[in-house]
Amino acid sequence: GAGVSQTPSNKVTEKGKYVELRCDPISGHTALYWYRQSLGQGPEFLIYFQGTGAADDSGLPNDRFFAVRPEGSVSTLKIQRTERGDSAVYLCASSSSGTGFNEQFFGPGTRLTVL
Amino acid sequence: SQQGEEDPQALSIQEGENATMNCSYKTSINNLQWYRQNSGRGLVHLILIRSNEREKHSGRLRVTLDTSKKSSSLLITASRAADTASYFCATALQGAQKLVFGQGTRLTINP
Repeated sequence: GAGVSQTPSNKVTEKGKYVELRCDPISGHTALYWYRQSLGQGPEFLIYFQGTGAADDSGLPNDRFFAVRPEGSVSTLKIQRTERGDSAVYLCASSSSGTGFNEQFFGPGTRLTVL
Repeated sequence: SQQGEEDPQALSIQEGENATMNCSYKTSINNLQWYRQNSGRGLVHLILIRSNEREKHSGRLRVTLDTSKKSSSLLITASRAADTASYFCATALQGAQKLVFGQGTRLTINP
């Protein structure tokens, strides 16, 4: 079956611009996660959705970052007033439950470059 | 912040040899998972070991977990060139729904 998909695969933007990154989870997966990975580092947690609600947004670095999942499926990560330090690969993952007991299936990521 | 520390940061071995990577963590966990990543993009889940398990096997992979030492190891036997990748351990913390990743081990298998 189809895995987690993310669009776009690459995004280049200018400092100060607004960007949206999209994640399509595996059908039927109720839990959705966003992570950010900088070069040479492991992924860092940003936000977790259980259904439509953000159950844990403790990893969002500041109020320029926001994510939604209005119908409990597709999610969009929104970044306002982008900064060069936001450049990273943004990874989305989904799992069949949010208990932490199950594996998370990752998408290919969106590589964001802020010039 | 990242909970896990992986050792070594980079490992280069000959094809056919075994590769061992280690991971240490700081707080109580529900389970520990190992992932592989090629070319800095999507991660592939390899194996999950629960906190009440000590050892788990999957094909050429063997994972151990020592909760008293807060450490885990991943052994890849009879390595192949296709095993070249970065390997990450990730802990699922008790009471939390997120994974906390280490910095990874870059494994290179030389033909």
